[in-house]
Amino acid sequence: KQEVTQIPAALSVPEGENLVLNCSFTDSAIYNLQWFRQDPGKGLTSLLLIQSSQREQTSGRLNASLDKSSGRSTLYIAASQPGDSATYLCAVRHSFGNEKLTFGTGTRLTIIP
Amino acid sequence: GAVVSQHPSWVICKSGTSVKIECRSLDFQATTMFWYRQFPKQSLMLMATSNEGSKATYEQGVEKDKFLINHASLTLSTLTVTSAHPEDSSFYICSALGDRQGDYEQYFGPGTRLTVT
Repeated sequence: KQEVTQIPAALSVPEGENLVLNCSFTDSAIYNLQWFRQDPGKGLTSLLLIQSSQREQTSGRLNASLDKSSGRSTLYIAASQPGDSATYLCAVRHSFGNEKLTFGTGTRLTIIP
Repeated sequence: GAVVSQHPSWVICKSGTSVKIECRSLDFQATTMFWYRQFPKQSLMLMATSNEGSKATYEQGVEKDKFLINHASLTLSTLTVTSAHPEDSSFYICSALGDRQGDYEQYFGPGTRLTVT
């Protein structure tokens, strides 16, 4: 059974700092991995999607990497801003089609102005 | 990016009544949609997977007669909470699976907060 873990569970950093969120998964036979953010009382916003054949994806100040063989992904946020405060979730999909995502435990990020 | 809408965004109902929540993919067709519920400060819990034109697949422990799911078209899925009770109060989030060139990216709606009094 796939297990997805995110470390740390909570993180507070001053505004402007670069930071890294970690995601690890036990079964490396994945199809793709997604990073999401969730603001309090809201749904999930998809940030980045990495296919199993890719090593990284970038969107603005966000960069996600994937090392499938070691079961790890990282989300790098550059020049953090207070608006980045949210809970960040990673999730893996095992195969194409309708198989469900397995979510990580989440990292609650607070950017201190 | 692709957009998924939910309606209503919040609803208050009396115990014993039924509530219907709609989930629409606005700019893409979704053969597969998912329904989740989330309790405060907890992660999402998958309730069921629905495929257009067929019966939904429920996760273990989810009562299919209580949470009725209908995926009537490629852009619409509905969740009906029947005979709602206070313990059904939760945040319900739907998600649609988009397939653009085999990417299989999942998009989430903004959620519906249900309060049963």
